[in-house]
Amino acid sequence: DQQVKQNSPSLSVQEGRISILNCDYTNSMFDYFLWYKKYPAEGPTFLISISSIKDKNEDGRFTVFLNKSAKHLSLHIVPSQPGDSAVYFCAATHSGSARQLTFGSGTQLTVLP
Amino acid sequence: DTAVSQTPKYLVTQMGNDKSIKCEQNLGHDTMYWYKQDSKKFLKIMFSYNNKELIINETVPNRFSPKSPDKAHLNLHINSLELGDSAVYFCASSPNFDNSPLHFGNGTRLTVT
Repeated sequence: DQQVKQNSPSLSVQEGRISILNCDYTNSMFDYFLWYKKYPAEGPTFLISISSIKDKNEDGRFTVFLNKSAKHLSLHIVPSQPGDSAVYFCAATHSGSARQLTFGSGTQLTVLP
Repeated sequence: DTAVSQTPKYLVTQMGNDKSIKCEQNLGHDTMYWYKQDSKKFLKIMFSYNNKELIINETVPNRFSPKSPDKAHLNLHINSLELGDSAVYFCASSPNFDNSPLHFGNGTRLTVT
């Protein structure tokens, strides 16, 4: 039973356009969400996070939106750059879970020059 | 000056062997983790140590035994390796047991033949 789902295994976007990566979750106890980026042969690196008390968090070109009623979050990258090409993992956790992150299966983003 | 380093990067071994993966972090973090990325690309937590104390021990065969000699190191020993153990294993650390993001190592690709 996958509690965090990234239903699009891949996404291709033209350079300069917006990339939108989606993530759905089923566990209503989750109250903190993170996005990680992973290049080949490297470990995931933290990108941006959002607490359930917010519905939006922005950091430069990256914005995460949270829709609690739909149990959905999305990562927007604008403008997309070729260096953004990587696998993006969505992760979720809840207070009292002893920091047990549950990850989605990732979306491969390819930004075309 | 790698923050979280794990060795070896690649490990090819035969069924039934015993092997270890080492992990060290120089970030001064209190908490360390082992994650397994399976064939479906999901990252799943295996163990977590906080200040050398085992905090999380997910449903992992007892052939897997973590060892934390000090809070900068968390090694993973695997006995009687099986084909299904083939995966990429990631070590990670965080400052403590709160919502601060994880810092991952670059992974160890284990192949059991």
